[in-house]
Amino acid sequence: GNSVTQMEGPVTLSEEAFLTINCTYTATGYPSLFWYVQYPGEGLQLLLKATKADDKGSNKGFEATYRKETTSFHLEKGSVQVSDSAVYFCALTPLYNFNKFYFGSGTKLNVKP
Amino acid sequence: DADVTQTPRNRITKTGKRIMLECSQTKGHDRMYWYRQDPGLGLQLIYYSFDVKDINKGEISDGYSVSRQAQAKFSLSLESAIPNQTALYFCATSSFEGGELFFGEGSRLTVL
Repeated sequence: GNSVTQMEGPVTLSEEAFLTINCTYTATGYPSLFWYVQYPGEGLQLLLKATKADDKGSNKGFEATYRKETTSFHLEKGSVQVSDSAVYFCALTPLYNFNKFYFGSGTKLNVKP
Repeated sequence: DADVTQTPRNRITKTGKRIMLECSQTKGHDRMYWYRQDPGLGLQLIYYSFDVKDINKGEISDGYSVSRQAQAKFSLSLESAIPNQTALYFCATSSFEGGELFFGEGSRLTVL
């Protein structure tokens, strides 16, 4: 089956620290992979995505690389800001059904000044 | 204005009451979804619709029903609300080509 596992939070960092949020997946074939972000009081919005192995998605200083060999899509940012405080969700859509999304449980990030 | 609008944003109700959550979108997308978010559980799919005549159950459809009144409108109903349906509910849309979900701001429902 299809599933996404991401590290439990909350993750608390100081401003300008390096961020990694781990995400691994189980899927048949080659899914598309996504990171969504949910700021307080808002809905989820797409942060970045990758559609094939070795692709790197990037946006707003965040990056994630699609690793087929380790079935992973870890989110990284070199220097976090207070405004990055949010809940981050890893997700996938299977190769055969681009409109069926599977979400991880979410990781809350708190960035302190 | 938001592309995906949900009403109400917050609702407190009592056990046994009927509740409807409404979603409308201006993105012109055919595909619409209702998700439920519980702390620590991520998002679970309740129902989805690929066009006005197509309704499909998701992972947790028991206790819920939906209506696709038009391409732009997709409503979620709880016929007889119970406390464990207390959650944050999200409507989302995607295009035929897929690849990204666009979410509303959520409807927080509390069932006492």
